[in-house]
Amino acid sequence: ETGVTQSPTHLIKTRGQQVTLRCSSQSGHNTVSWYQQALGQGPQFIFQYYREEENGRGNFPPRFSGLQFPNYSSELNVNALELDDSALYLCASSLLGSTEAFFGQGTRLTVV
Amino acid sequence: AQSVTQLDSQVPVFEEAPVELRCNYSSSVSVYLFWYVQYPNQGLQLLLKYLSGSTLVESINGFEAEFNKSQTSFHLRKPSVHISDTAEYFCAVIFASGSARQLTFGSGTQLTVLP
Repeated sequence: ETGVTQSPTHLIKTRGQQVTLRCSSQSGHNTVSWYQQALGQGPQFIFQYYREEENGRGNFPPRFSGLQFPNYSSELNVNALELDDSALYLCASSLLGSTEAFFGQGTRLTVV
Repeated sequence: AQSVTQLDSQVPVFEEAPVELRCNYSSSVSVYLFWYVQYPNQGLQLLLKYLSGSTLVESINGFEAEFNKSQTSFHLRKPSVHISDTAEYFCAVIFASGSARQLTFGSGTQLTVLP
């Protein structure tokens, strides 16, 4: 077990709605990254947060946004949900500049 | 362009047989290389990594991978697999040019060990 916890574990939303996913980092880690894993594919980098600011972003539209809090926990927000947003969303915590990331169990989002 | 390719989407193998899962990457900068394993309905667990030094790296459960710079490959091997090795395996790369040290993943290989 990595110490990274995500909530909820499963979620069903309707197209057009908004969703917030949460991640609690491993103790001592100051950086959080989010990944989207569509069915049958590898995870894709969404963005990373360090010191409450975005520190890098993948090829995702602005309706994917995030927050990092002073205790290093994080939220992923997705607005105007589309069917293709259905995926497993993974959070990973690390120390800035480290090559080792520790993943949570993920949140399975289904958009209907 | 920077990319990671896992050519085999599914690899069935009998128990106690050897296995090789292939991974190739494309990059114009230096790389750090990883293999992650994902069991059903779970997150990713780091299996092994190459950062520098010896090109052959090993995991605690008998897997090994060799970094081949000329072939731009990082294939994963195990001489004798167990039923419990059945899982999805992802090759991942950190391209040294990125500030966020984000992982770029391959599409995964489903290893199924048959009795």
